[in-house]
Amino acid sequence: EIVLTQSPGTLSLSPGERATLSCRASQSVSSSRLAWYQQKPGQAPRLLIYGASNRATGIPDRLSGSGSGTDFTLTITRLEPEDFAVYFCQQYGSSPPTFGQGTKVEIK
Amino acid sequence: EVQLLESGGGLVQPGGSLRLSCAASGFAFSSNGMSWVRQVPGKGLEWVSSISRSGDETYYADSVKGRFTVSRDNSMNTLYLQVNILRAEDTAIYYCAKIGVIGNWYYDLWGRGTLVTVSS
Repeated sequence: EIVLTQSPGTLSLSPGERATLSCRASQSVSSSRLAWYQQKPGQAPRLLIYGASNRATGIPDRLSGSGSGTDFTLTITRLEPEDFAVYFCQQYGSSPPTFGQGTKVEIK
Repeated sequence: EVQLLESGGGLVQPGGSLRLSCAASGFAFSSNGMSWVRQVPGKGLEWVSSISRSGDETYYADSVKGRFTVSRDNSMNTLYLQVNILRAEDTAIYYCAKIGVIGNWYYDLWGRGTLVTVSS
């Protein structure tokens, strides 16, 4: 199975700053089938990005995804208070679908 | 309102069983594949099982194969997960999730989860 490694584990930033989250796969992710989710405490995950770079419905354009092959990035250009959360990547190009361990974006 | 609502979790002894349910509303349930994903509180996410739109195709993680059974009732807009021979390592929040597009197992709608605790 494909192992996804997210870095950093925790990102400490201030509102208005730029956040860059990395997701690295142990082997190439087929057809850039990579998704990103946001999860806040006590809540279910929420889809942000699918197909590596396609924003889900209602996701603001300050969030963007990029990458291919084994290296993927989620960028939040200007952090808003609601962006402080845990972010997971997921690959669905190979079975079984697998998730990264998460990156926590916390207020500095 | 478009939503998924899980139920059926609880405290169960090792070796025990539970039946988890997920009631769907606000979308064409029978038109979407569905999955179960679990999460140990405070930890990462693990795919558990998926089922096709009609229910004739099912898929399982190796860690639950032979112990868990996924099914659905499209007339009732409900997804199920029968969990048997439970182990301590099955303790987690179990989410049902709607598959975004046929053949692409990303999840565009999640329920709030139901907690399964396996302990003596």
